[in-house]
Amino acid sequence: KAGVTQTPRYLIKTRGQQVTLSCSPISGHRSVSWYQQTPGQGLQFLFEYFSETQRNKGNFPGRFSGRQFSNSRSEMNVSTLELGDSALYLCASSLGDSSNEKLFFGSGTQLSVL
Amino acid sequence: QKEVEQNSGPLSVPEGAIASLNCTYSDRGSQSFFWYRQYSGKSPELIMFIYSNGDKEDGRFTAQLNKASQYVSLLIRDSQPSDSATYLCAVNYPPGTYKYIFGTGTRLKVLA
Repeated sequence: KAGVTQTPRYLIKTRGQQVTLSCSPISGHRSVSWYQQTPGQGLQFLFEYFSETQRNKGNFPGRFSGRQFSNSRSEMNVSTLELGDSALYLCASSLGDSSNEKLFFGSGTQLSVL
Repeated sequence: QKEVEQNSGPLSVPEGAIASLNCTYSDRGSQSFFWYRQYSGKSPELIMFIYSNGDKEDGRFTAQLNKASQYVSLLIRDSQPSDSATYLCAVNYPPGTYKYIFGTGTRLKVLA
């Protein structure tokens, strides 16, 4: 079974630009979550989607948005990039039937904002 | 206030010893707790989860939960150099949601 696939693996952008990251979950998984990982703050929850609906949202500004498609693939968009948005963005998938499920993480997208 | 706290380490233990990793959480209503392992440059992978007070064993790993004291720990017996990684404690919070709060992780170094 293929794992969680995130593209691209690396991104370099400049301040003010926008970026779109993609995540393909494990086949059969309907829940996709996004996390931001930085050395100082660790893993921070952005949002979670299930069946094309955002079920949970973290404490990030509105510049961070996401969506999920009918095939469970998800995208995350960050507009008006700031230097502080430089981080590893991890996507995780799960079945989505229980809040006590194992999360399967992708390899992440390393975003650098210059 | 951050909901999940971990000592950042590094925690260094000799090969074959028991490594003890600790995590405290702030919300008494938290019910589900997870330990993830993250190797440098890799993504986190689940090692264990625990819901009930007491111990839960899986191979060389034992998770311990004490809800009264609001801490969860992970013991690694017969530590191996391949166990060297960052261990992340995660709590499902708010309970029943699909949101997980992660600690910043404890870096473990097992010395050969």
